[in-house]
Amino acid sequence: EVQLVESGGGLMQPGGSLRLSCAASGFSVSSNYMSWVRQAPGKGLEWVSIIYRDGTTYYVDSVKGRFTISRDNSKNTLYLQMNSLRAEDTAVYYCARWAEIYYDYWGQGTLVTVSS
Amino acid sequence: EIVLTQSPATLSLSPGERATLSCRASQTITTYLAWYQQKPGQPPRLLIYDASNRATGIPARFSGSGSGTDFTLTISSLEPEDFAVYYCLQRNSWPQTFGQGTKVEIK
Repeated sequence: EVQLVESGGGLMQPGGSLRLSCAASGFSVSSNYMSWVRQAPGKGLEWVSIIYRDGTTYYVDSVKGRFTISRDNSKNTLYLQMNSLRAEDTAVYYCARWAEIYYDYWGQGTLVTVSS
Repeated sequence: EIVLTQSPATLSLSPGERATLSCRASQTITTYLAWYQQKPGQPPRLLIYDASNRATGIPARFSGSGSGTDFTLTISSLEPEDFAVYYCLQRNSWPQTFGQGTKVEIK
């Protein structure tokens, strides 16, 4: 059974750093395209980042230079390193598997709150 | 960046009624559009991909149409479990972008 479980969210001060994790089971993270999608409280969905099978990465402009997506194949886990956090980064962060034409599996999300 | 505009923002309907949701792209995206349903506290659920293909396990009352810049999600007869927020997503070019959502609420 395919499962994605996010962790690492919490309350952070502006300018702080946080690393989100997404533990996958039932498939190999390294053999798939994996994304992070976020949703601010009461708002819509926003794609944040993707890592391809070959390791190529892409980011939405608002997080470029601050966020880094990566994976640990031995742990079958996806990560999102978030630096220089801003209030507007407050959101539920979902990891999702990109099956090249759609997102087929999503985690339940982890909440990141950036506030002083 | 391609902007997706969904309308209406809110649709107030009764069970059994037909729902028609619109998603308009700021430039052509051929048929590279998907529709997702989201309920409170849950992640999105794929309904339709590539404009008109129903995902596995999705009831036949959900259908999608359109190409180019104008797309429609139709729910032929609303069931109680269909009241939720619906998002469109384009994969024509990076960054992927979502519409702002349409909330289908009980009238």
